[in-house]
Amino acid sequence: EFVLTQSPATLSLSPGERAILSCRASQSIDSYLAWFQQKPGQPPRLLIYEASIRATDVPARFSGSGSGTDFTLTISSLEPEDFAVYYCQQRRYLFTFGPGTRVEIK
Amino acid sequence: QVQLQESGPGLVKPSETLSLTCTVSGVSMNDYYWTWIRQTPGKGLEWIGYVYYSGYTMYNPSVKSRVTISIDTSKSQFSLRLTSVTTEDTAVYYCVRYVVDVLAGFDFWGRGTLVTVSS
Repeated sequence: EFVLTQSPATLSLSPGERAILSCRASQSIDSYLAWFQQKPGQPPRLLIYEASIRATDVPARFSGSGSGTDFTLTISSLEPEDFAVYYCQQRRYLFTFGPGTRVEIK
Repeated sequence: QVQLQESGPGLVKPSETLSLTCTVSGVSMNDYYWTWIRQTPGKGLEWIGYVYYSGYTMYNPSVKSRVTISIDTSKSQFSLRLTSVTTEDTAVYYCVRYVVDVLAGFDFWGRGTLVTVSS
């Protein structure tokens, strides 16, 4: 069974700090990985696709990297509006989402 | 701008059929995959399936025996039908556009609609 795992489950940081979120696939998915941001009461918002390409209007402080089974989303300097839940999603084997990482204010 | 709006009953009885419609505006339905995704606190985000503008469909094996997704491009709508529902089908249901071009992704989402399965 294909599985995406994300770590950590929760990341407690202050505005201005760097956030590094991890997503690991149980099998290689090449670069077929996307990242989403979700705030309470809103649908997920596409941030990154094909592992490293920012979607339209996504600020440059968001960057994605990785290929194969290990991927990273980096937020270079947290803004107040960045505190949210982040999901990775793969499209190599149909579509599955990771369980999410909550980025909370420390 | 591209907008998607879910509509349908918010309460469905166990063993009955869940039916939702998504109305699309601001874009032609041609050349896109129109998708249903649901979200629960327990299982997280789950892709249910999609329909291409031509009518071609693909479904998640976990619900494949119970689900039908259809499209009516003349009305700019696509629909979800899920039969024999249980409390496990209680979720927020999103309709989503999936674009496959040089790059691919779920780029536009509806606001979501909560469907509760309860007697």
